[in-house]
Amino acid sequence: DTEVTQTPKHLVMGMTNKKSLKCEQHMGHRAMYWYKQKAKKPPELMFVYSYEKLSINESVPSRFSPECPNSSLLNLHLHALQPEDSALYLCASSQDLRRRANVLTFGAGSRLTVL
Amino acid sequence: AQSVTQLDSQVPVFEEAPVELRCNYSSSVSVYLFWYVQYPNQGLQLLLKYLSGSTLVKGINGFEAEFNKSQTSFHLRKPSVHISDTAEYFCAARRNYGQNFVFGPGTRLSVLP
Repeated sequence: DTEVTQTPKHLVMGMTNKKSLKCEQHMGHRAMYWYKQKAKKPPELMFVYSYEKLSINESVPSRFSPECPNSSLLNLHLHALQPEDSALYLCASSQDLRRRANVLTFGAGSRLTVL
Repeated sequence: AQSVTQLDSQVPVFEEAPVELRCNYSSSVSVYLFWYVQYPNQGLQLLLKYLSGSTLVKGINGFEAEFNKSQTSFHLRKPSVHISDTAEYFCAARRNYGQNFVFGPGTRLSVLP
């Protein structure tokens, strides 16, 4: 199993809604990431978890709240989002931040539209 | 600060022609280099990586890249492209044991019939 699975694939929400994006991997990876990607742009790092602890928060607004319940799961809780938050949200995992051969494996993404 | 440059935002090429997508990085220390491909409405897929050893790296789908330390480049090549290679290609770099991957702006490869 060499996949990173993201759900839902598409999400439409209003600015007052609360929703969550989910990510799951069963490759035994110990680092998990959230990236945000706008159209025709590269992915931008939001958060990194290493061994289920938050390692990097790239100054992301508090309306985005990450959670790593265990080594296989990563959630992104969304609340009071703005239309400019509409984007493709990509989850990724890698073996271990301390290893030289640390390579990102991406999921297919969750396309979020905020109305 | 580390950065990755992809000089060509768009590269149109005819089917079965060769292609080179350029990538340059800036860093004063050793880096690890990657090429990812993104097909429409999908996530990023690893094409190939350079960690150490031979400077010519072969990847999936017939792609290869050459690491050139003196020119701080990691250009991606394919001798004969197919329509199915139409996609966005991202070059990325990571410093030794660094947590963050830095992505270039991307190159849109369009293969024409």
